Amino acid sequence: EAGVAQSPRYKIIEKRQSVAFWCNPISGHATLYWYQQILGQGPKLLIQFQNNGVVDDSQLPKDRFSAERLKGVDSTLKIQPAKLEDSAVYLCASSLSSSYNEQFFGPGTRLTVL
Amino acid sequence: DQQVKQNSPSLSVQEGRISILNCDYTNSMFDYFLWYKKYPAEGPTFLISISSIKDKNEDGRFTVFLNKSAKHLSLHIVPSQPGDSAVYFCAASAGGSQGNLIFGKGTKLSVKP
Repeated sequence: EAGVAQSPRYKIIEKRQSVAFWCNPISGHATLYWYQQILGQGPKLLIQFQNNGVVDDSQLPKDRFSAERLKGVDSTLKIQPAKLEDSAVYLCASSLSSSYNEQFFGPGTRLTVL
Repeated sequence: DQQVKQNSPSLSVQEGRISILNCDYTNSMFDYFLWYKKYPAEGPTFLISISSIKDKNEDGRFTVFLNKSAKHLSLHIVPSQPGDSAVYFCAASAGGSQGNLIFGKGTKLSVKP
């Protein structure tokens, strides 16, 4: 069974630039999550999708971050414009459903904002 | 305001001995707890979970203990192996198996041969 795929694995940008991350969850997983993990911290949930609908985006900085999952499968997370404090690993995870909390994580995208 | 705390940033254990990783929480509404293991350059992988209706769950070498009155849980690894060297994250949710996960900062375990 293929795992959660993410790209790119690494990205370096300058502040005020835009960046986008892509995630393809495990086939058949209805629930998809985006997390931000700052160095030395645990992952923090940014947004949760159930199929193509948003379940929870209460911690997403909506002035600069956006995410979509148009066809209920893969998803993109965008930051526009980026700030220095956005430097982190962005993790995508998926689970069979929102009632199954064993989430499967991708390898993450390490973002460095200079 | 950290709701899930892992107060030991690192732990070093000899191969074959027991590793005990600790986690404290402050939110009494948490009712489902999980442990994840993370190797460098990889995403976290699920290890073991426990519901608040239990005080112990065992899976092979891994056992999680939950003390609700102390708001404390621990992960025991017996016997520890060098391949167990990783960062371990404790996570909790307040909606049973449906709630969003709140993670601790992690504990880096080093198992020495």
